[in-house]
Amino acid sequence: GDSVTQMEGPVTLSEEAFLTINCTYTATGYPSLFWYVQYPGEGLQLLLKATKADDKGSNKGFEATYRKETTSFHLEKGSVQVSDSAVYFCALSDRGEDDKIIFGKGTRLHILP
Amino acid sequence: DVKVTQSSRYLVKRTGEKVFLECVQDMDHENMFWYRQDPGLGLRLIYFSYDVKMKEKGDIPEGYSVSREKKERFSLILESASTNQTSMYLCASSFPGGTGHYEQYFGPGTRLTVT
Repeated sequence: GDSVTQMEGPVTLSEEAFLTINCTYTATGYPSLFWYVQYPGEGLQLLLKATKADDKGSNKGFEATYRKETTSFHLEKGSVQVSDSAVYFCALSDRGEDDKIIFGKGTRLHILP
Repeated sequence: DVKVTQSSRYLVKRTGEKVFLECVQDMDHENMFWYRQDPGLGLRLIYFSYDVKMKEKGDIPEGYSVSREKKERFSLILESASTNQTSMYLCASSFPGGTGHYEQYFGPGTRLTVT
């Protein structure tokens, strides 16, 4: 079945460092790919998404490119801030009658001032 | 903005009690979902619903039931709460479509403790 694997955390970086959180997926079809973020004490919110191969999603300085050849959707940010400290979830939704989303286990990110 | 609200942020119940968790969305979404979130396990789907009065089991439905009497409201019911149901519960909603394009919108979560 479909699945998402993302790097385990926690990831600890200093402010202004470059961030990469790796995500790879397995899917039978042509999924849409998402990154969600969960700030402390809150629910998940969509950070960015890409619906087809080679699409780049971007938001709040974060970017991820849908790479079909490597089945990856790595999250990157050039210069992180303390306010980026959160848990990040990679996810996919495959096409078909089922509207379910499959989530990775999440990566906790700590940014030190 | 889409808004998904959950009835309580924090809830403490005793073993054996019947527990109701309520979720309401204001965007006329057909799809609604209940997840639980546990450290190291990520999000696990309990139940979902594609329309009023219909429900589908997710990955971990045991010990839970749901009710969807109105389009905007989706309730999760713990018939007899147990300590292993202590968790964060998240509700979500989305448009239908089968394209996979539509993201889910989440509520703030209910942290349930069963003692």
